Amino acid sequence: QVQLVQSGAEVKKPGASVKVSCKASGYTFTSYDINWVRQATGQGLEWMGWMNPNSGNTGYAQKFQGRVTMTRNTSISTAYMELSSLRSEDTAVYYCARGWRSDIWGQGTMVTVSS
Amino acid sequence: DIQMTQSPSSLSASVGDRVTITCQASQDISNYLNWYQQKPGKAPKLLIYDASNLETGVPSRFSGSGSGTDFTFTISSLQPEDIATYYCQQYDNLPQTFGGGTKVEIK
Repeated sequence: QVQLVQSGAEVKKPGASVKVSCKASGYTFTSYDINWVRQATGQGLEWMGWMNPNSGNTGYAQKFQGRVTMTRNTSISTAYMELSSLRSEDTAVYYCARGWRSDIWGQGTMVTVSS
Repeated sequence: DIQMTQSPSSLSASVGDRVTITCQASQDISNYLNWYQQKPGKAPKLLIYDASNLETGVPSRFSGSGSGTDFTFTISSLQPEDIATYYCQQYDNLPQTFGGGTKVEIK
């Protein structure tokens, strides 16, 4: 079935980087954009950016410009989101989602930033 | 950035009640609006896309309407399994933006 499966939980120290993966299956990976959305505990949804897996083109929310990088490996149908210079406020669940409809979501990856 | 103002932030209703949530965009977004349902500890689930189109497999008691700046999401007969937080999202302009969410509870 169509699904996105994300990598497991991460614990990082302030100032470090984290790279979350999102593996697509059940559809043609290069046919749909991938969006990344995060959610701090008890808070709402925050869009971080998108990537076109075919071209590699990306677009990031201004808030994350300079700290986020979205990439992909088409040979294994996997998208990646790397966030650098982590701070405590980056503690959140990070989701990938398929396409402009965001009709398919990954299960989420908990990233905890703590000293 | 386009601001999405969603109301109410929470509501309590009885099983069988009609529930309505509104979402107002700070500028015209045509019909580029989605509605999601999120249950605790789970990823959001798409219910409505393009303001009024029901996603495949979603029960028909869910519906959406509106265009431009004003949108409405309705549950025609609230069921116990509908307890969740609901979000609107615009994708007319980048960055995509979400409403603040509406937590729906059973009275």
